[in-house]
Amino acid sequence: KQEVTQIPAALSVPEGENLVLNCSFTDSAIYNLQWFRQDPGKGLTSLLLIQSSQREQTSGRLNASLDKSSGRSTLYIAASQPGDSATYLCAVELWGTALIFGKGTTLSVSS
Amino acid sequence: GAVVSQHPSRVICKSGTSVKIECRSLDFQATTMFWYRQFPKQSLMLMATSNEGSKATYEQGVEKDKFLINHASLTLSTLTVTSAHPEDSSFYICSARAGESYEQYFGPGTRLTVT
Repeated sequence: KQEVTQIPAALSVPEGENLVLNCSFTDSAIYNLQWFRQDPGKGLTSLLLIQSSQREQTSGRLNASLDKSSGRSTLYIAASQPGDSATYLCAVELWGTALIFGKGTTLSVSS
Repeated sequence: GAVVSQHPSRVICKSGTSVKIECRSLDFQATTMFWYRQFPKQSLMLMATSNEGSKATYEQGVEKDKFLINHASLTLSTLTVTSAHPEDSSFYICSARAGESYEQYFGPGTRLTVT
């Protein structure tokens, strides 16, 4: 059974700091991996989607990497801002299935 | 990207009543829709998978007679919570995709509170 783990569960950093969020999954036979942002009481915002054949994706200050063989992904956030404060969810998809989510990392960026 | 809507965004109902939540794909035909549930400070957990014109497939531990799912068209799936109880209070989110090789798009979620 696929399991997704995110470390750390919570993170507090001062504004401007670069940070890394970690995601690991137990079954390397994934179709893709996706990072989402969720603000309190809100739905999901898709940040980056990495296909299994890709190693990384970038969008603005965000960079996500994927190492399928080791079952790991990282989300790198450069020059963090208070507006980045949210919960970040990692999810994997096996072929033709629903997404399997981790429990998330709650990020707080202080000004 | 593609747009998925949910209605209502919030609903409060009394214990014992039924509530229907709609999930619509606005600009594409969704062959498959997924229903997730998220309890406070927890992650999203899949409840059921719904394919257009077929019966939904429920995850272990999800009561199919309590959570009725209908996917009668390629743009609409509904989740009905029957005889709701306070423990059903949760955030319900749907996602939809056009086919197996297509990205899933998420609705904005529905906050259900059962009093």
